[in-house]
Amino acid sequence: ETGVTQSPTHLIKTRGQQVTLRCSSQSGHNTVSWYQQALGQGPQFIFQYYREEENGRGNFPPRFSGLQFPNYSSELNVNALELDDSALYLCASSLGDLEAFFGQGTRLTVV
Amino acid sequence: QKEVEQDPGPLSVPEGAIVSLNCTYSNSAFQYFMWYRQYSRKGPELLMYTYSSGNKEDGRFTAQVDKSSKYISLFIRDSQPSDSATYLCAMSASWGGTSYGKLTFGQGTILTVHP
Repeated sequence: ETGVTQSPTHLIKTRGQQVTLRCSSQSGHNTVSWYQQALGQGPQFIFQYYREEENGRGNFPPRFSGLQFPNYSSELNVNALELDDSALYLCASSLGDLEAFFGQGTRLTVV
Repeated sequence: QKEVEQDPGPLSVPEGAIVSLNCTYSNSAFQYFMWYRQYSRKGPELLMYTYSSGNKEDGRFTAQVDKSSKYISLFIRDSQPSDSATYLCAMSASWGGTSYGKLTFGQGTILTVHP
């Protein structure tokens, strides 16, 4: 076990809706990154938060947003869901420059 | 063209075989090279990472990096059924969390080791 937990594990939403995914990092880990993994593909970097500030963003539109909280939890919010947003969403936490640990992911299906 | 290319397979080998997994990349800024293993319905777990060109060995696993050719490999010796998983190569211009430690992944190779 990596000590990184994500909730929920599965989710079904309708196109146009909004969704919030949650991640609980290992205690003390000040960095969290979010990735989107489409079926049969490798994870794609969405963004990273370091000490509650966004610290880099991949090629994703602004309707993907995030928050990191002082208690080592974080959220990924996606507005105006599209069918192509269906994927496994992964969070990874780390302490500074050390190894990043991935959660088990949230499987989002948009119908 | 994708920054990281990985043969998706699938790859099916008998138990005990030597497995070779490969990735090529185009971004010269990549300095750190990693291999992750992902079991079905799980998140990726880090197997090995390397910084410079050359070989790094850890038990049955050997990671090889050739920066001049922009080519990395993972070798698995004496493969076991428990090695059956998707293997992902990943690269970063910086290591870990700070300094924009974005990981760029390959597509993943599905490996099945049959008894």
